[in-house]
Amino acid sequence: AQSVTQLDSHVSVSEGTPVLLRCNYSSSYSPSLFWYVQHPNKGLQLLLKYTSAATLVKGINGFEAEFKKSETSFHLTKPSAHMSDAAEYFCVVTLGTGFQKLVFGTGTRLLVSP
Amino acid sequence: DAMVIQNPRYQVTQFGKPVTLSCSQTLNHNVMYWYQQKSSQAPKLLFHYYDKDFNNEADTPDNFQSRRPNTSFCFLDIRSPGLGDAAMYLCATSRDLGLAEHNEQFFGPGTRLTVL
Repeated sequence: AQSVTQLDSHVSVSEGTPVLLRCNYSSSYSPSLFWYVQHPNKGLQLLLKYTSAATLVKGINGFEAEFKKSETSFHLTKPSAHMSDAAEYFCVVTLGTGFQKLVFGTGTRLLVSP
Repeated sequence: DAMVIQNPRYQVTQFGKPVTLSCSQTLNHNVMYWYQQKSSQAPKLLFHYYDKDFNNEADTPDNFQSRRPNTSFCFLDIRSPGLGDAAMYLCATSRDLGLAEHNEQFFGPGTRLTVL
């Protein structure tokens, strides 16, 4: 079965410093992987997705993630955090083919201090 | 702008009193999904419609039903809400079921359900 593990429930950074949110996946098939962001009382917004094309994926708002099959990882990074990045981030996996059932990780809350 | 709209944003109901949550979309997508997200937890898929075909997740309680009268609208009915059903309910849409390049899921803002 497909699953993702988000290694940190909370990450705190200062504005202007790099962001690293960690995600490891488990999949019997070629996975598709996503990062979604959820601001308080808002719906989920897709940040970026990996679907077996380039392993380094660039997303919106300066975020990017690298698919590393050898490490079964898909960590999300951003060079410089903004206050507006404070939100909940979900790593998501689904099967490589067929029905796009999203399997969510437990989420990482990113806190950004001035 | 094309979007996914959920009404109301906040809904309060009483224990055991049926409640209906509404979702509409202007994207003309074939697939509509309902997720339940409890406090500090990840969203969990309840069911989805591909056009008029309804697909229930195996662990979705019978208390939860859904209707899709047309392409644009999808409703979540909770027949007898319990205290454990208090959650954020998220509606999402996608053009199709598969993982084509531009077939992402678009989420609405959610309806937060409180059960008294």
